[in-house]
Amino acid sequence: NAGVMQNPRHLVRRRGQEARLRCSPMKGHSHVYWYRQLPEEGLKFMVYLQKENIIDESGMPKERFSAEFPKEGPSILRIQQVVRGDSAAYFCASSPQGLGNTEAFFGQGTRLTVV
Amino acid sequence: DAKTTQPPSMDCAEGRAANLPCNHSTISGNEYVYWYRQIHSQGPQYIIHGLKNNETNEMASLIITEDRKSSTLILPHATLRDTAVYYCIVRALDSNYQLIWGAGTKLIIKP
Repeated sequence: NAGVMQNPRHLVRRRGQEARLRCSPMKGHSHVYWYRQLPEEGLKFMVYLQKENIIDESGMPKERFSAEFPKEGPSILRIQQVVRGDSAAYFCASSPQGLGNTEAFFGQGTRLTVV
Repeated sequence: DAKTTQPPSMDCAEGRAANLPCNHSTISGNEYVYWYRQIHSQGPQYIIHGLKNNETNEMASLIITEDRKSSTLILPHATLRDTAVYYCIVRALDSNYQLIWGAGTKLIIKP
């Protein structure tokens, strides 16, 4: 059973371009969480999705950022018109249900560098 | 804001037990204590969690004080591969899927 798969592992974008980060949850998991991590800091929650639904996007910037988790295919975190401040590691986690008494399994992250 | 306080860094000799403390003095009765670790450049890895009883699994032991205001994660025989940042997180089962993360403890295992 493959773990949470994120791609690409590293992404370089010029300022103003779009970044698309993909997350395939573990098999059987229908809940996905996206986090952002700046250097030397802990993870910061961005958005929580179930299949085809955004449950909580309170941690996501209101402009330029969007997330989806379609019925088929991976979850996508999309950042439009990237700026240098978007440079960070973006982690996706999945769980079989709302966390409850289970742990979330994390992917290896996508490291976005904006130049 | 994170609900936990951890020392920023610790050293431990290889083969010895590593004891990582965490203060969570404002923990509520329905909140669990979770521990994750993050090895450099990798995604966080779940270690263990508990409510009030001590817990043990193949990776570590979790000791929670009787008043639940602090806990200690114990790695019984630390190896070089245990060098990582360790995060202590408190959350309720029925909420807070956001997993609010502090800065963690950077544990360095020395040969």
